[in-house]
Amino acid sequence: QLQLQESGPGLVKPSETLSLTCTVSGDSISRSSYYWGWIRQPPGKGLEWIGIVYYTGTTYYNPSLKSRVTISVDTSKNKFSLKVNSVTAADTAVYFCASWQGFLFDYWGQGTLVTVSS
Amino acid sequence: QAVLTQPSSLSASPGAAVSLTCTLHSGISVGSYRIYWYQQKPGSPPQYLLRDKSDSDNHQGSGVPSRFSGSKDASANAGILLISGLQSEDEADYYCMIWHSSAYVVFGGGTKLTVL
Repeated sequence: QLQLQESGPGLVKPSETLSLTCTVSGDSISRSSYYWGWIRQPPGKGLEWIGIVYYTGTTYYNPSLKSRVTISVDTSKNKFSLKVNSVTAADTAVYFCASWQGFLFDYWGQGTLVTVSS
Repeated sequence: QAVLTQPSSLSASPGAAVSLTCTLHSGISVGSYRIYWYQQKPGSPPQYLLRDKSDSDNHQGSGVPSRFSGSKDASANAGILLISGLQSEDEADYYCMIWHSSAYVVFGGGTKLTVL
């Protein structure tokens, strides 16, 4: 069974870059049937999709975030990563990583809270 | 108008049946999309429940009870999550989701279900 775990700083300053990593265990990140994704949830609010990446590097992004977001994959480490540039307080959220197969997110990490504050 | 609209809250009694709706933007047709449903309890990540039932399959998530089912209402341009025999453990937030034809994921705003 797949397991995913987010890691990264819990506090980021405004205008800086938010960087998170998701470590995948239980299977290879290069498994052909999976994409790997990021979803976020501001405190007390709903889910917002950020984007997904395939092991080849192919990506799909939320149009509203595309200009600030990069998702990449490191197959040698079985990890994938998220970068969000020029963050503001509106980027404060719990960030989840998840596996995407058959047009649905089936396995999720527990989530990590990232706060944007000086 | 949001792509997917859900009522912000709903309440029902134990044992009752409740329908949660996910209304699609008037510019897109529910007939062209698969509607996926997730359940989220406080402090936990969302869990995949099911997708709307088609003639060929009923894609239920692993371990999801059969009292959860999905369908579509073409007249309302909406997806529906039906929960029958409501239990206290069903109290949670419920989100619908689609893969938009322009190649991105959209989540509805979520419905907070309270079991009275």
